[in-house]
Formats: sequence, structure tokens, C-alpha cells
Amino acid sequence: EVLLLESGGGLGQPGGSLTLSCEASGFRFGEYAMSWVRQAPGKGLEWVSSIRGGGSDKDYADSVKGRFTISRDNSRNTLHLQMNSLRVEDTAVYYCAKDRAVTIRGGDHFDYWGQGTRVTVAS
Amino acid sequence: SYVLAQPPSVSVAPGETARITCGGNNIGTKSVHWYQQRSGQAPVLVIYFDSDRPSRTPERFSGSNSGNTATLTISRVEAGDEADYYCQVWDLRSGHVFGTGTKVTVL
Repeated sequence: EVLLLESGGGLGQPGGSLTLSCEASGFRFGEYAMSWVRQAPGKGLEWVSSIRGGGSDKDYADSVKGRFTISRDNSRNTLHLQMNSLRVEDTAVYYCAKDRAVTIRGGDHFDYWGQGTRVTVAS
Repeated sequence: SYVLAQPPSVSVAPGETARITCGGNNIGTKSVHWYQQRSGQAPVLVIYFDSDRPSRTPERFSGSNSGNTATLTISRVEAGDEADYYCQVWDLRSGHVFGTGTKVTVL
């Protein structure tokens, strides 16, 4: 059974930093791309970032480019999202999602999702 | 950036058919995926590559994609189908793009 468990959410200050983690199990973690998708309160889904199975390729939404960094530790089956220069508009539930494929640049989808971790940015 | 437009809401009586559209420029040339998100829960994949179903998705769910519109069809709607539905594509310039979402209400 595929399981994705996010952690690290909480209250962050504008301009501050938070790091999210996602512990994966039930599949060969290093063989699949992984992504972060967020959902602001009462709003729709917004893709944030993706990383290739081996970690060599990464992509970011324009809204977070230069502020967020995605990384993975395949030896620990863990995905991370380092969030710097936080803004109020980063407030959202952040979901970890498993991609169907190993690559991130193609017409693929997210076949499993975690339950999400809530991030609130406020002073 | 690539934009996917969905109707905000669709209402349907139990047993009837719900059709949810997803409009985008030449979306027929892209692979479209659909997610169901029940209230307070994480999204779940229900249709991938336009019309394929994961094993856990009921056969009542089907998809199509042509021209500028992709469509998710739910036949014989049940109370448990009440949820938000999102379409999704990958675009070379925009990355993964989600539609605006459609709330399906079962009357």
C-alpha cells in the first residue's frame, strides 16, 4: 500500500522559513518523480514543484521560483520542500504527491497523494 | 500561462448523468487527468490519460478529450460522488496546471 505522510507544517512569519517533509512507503521511492501541490483556504489546487526520481531535474511554479527548493533523500524515502521568504499568500495545505513516471517533463499525473500539512503565514 | 476553465458547479439528481467540462487551448493535444476531492480530504485520481480508470475508480466514471474541451462524465450519480473535481494537464511552459475546479452537488 502506498503511503505518503507529510510533516513540518505550522505557523511561519512573513519573510521566514519552513521546511516540509514527506515520508513515503509502499513503492520504490527512487523510481518515481515526486511533487508538492498546495491548496489555499477555500481555493483550488496549485502545483508547486516536482523532482525527478533520481533528483537530477527539478521544476517550480513561477509563484515559488527562487524562494522554494525541492529535494529528496532516496536512501530515506523522504521528500522535502524548503520554503524561504514566506509570503501570506503561501498559506495553504501542502500535499505530497507521487508521480506515475520517473520524469517530470511530460504529460503525466499524480497517482497517490498524502493527507497534507497545513502552513499558515502570518505575523 | 496555460489556463484550464471549469464550471464552478454542477447539480445532478441521483441516478442521472453529470458532465464536467475542462476547457483549454487545444487541450485535445494534451493528456488530461481528473481528480476527485471530497470535503476535507486529499485529492484522489479518478481518470488519467483522458479516459483510463485506475482500478479503484467505478466504471460509472469516464472521460473524453477533443479540440478545446475535455469532459468527465459520471453516470448513474450516487450521493457519494458529491465532491470537487479538478482536471489537470502538463504544459511545457507552465508545468502542471490544474483546472479551476467544479463542485458537484447531488440533489
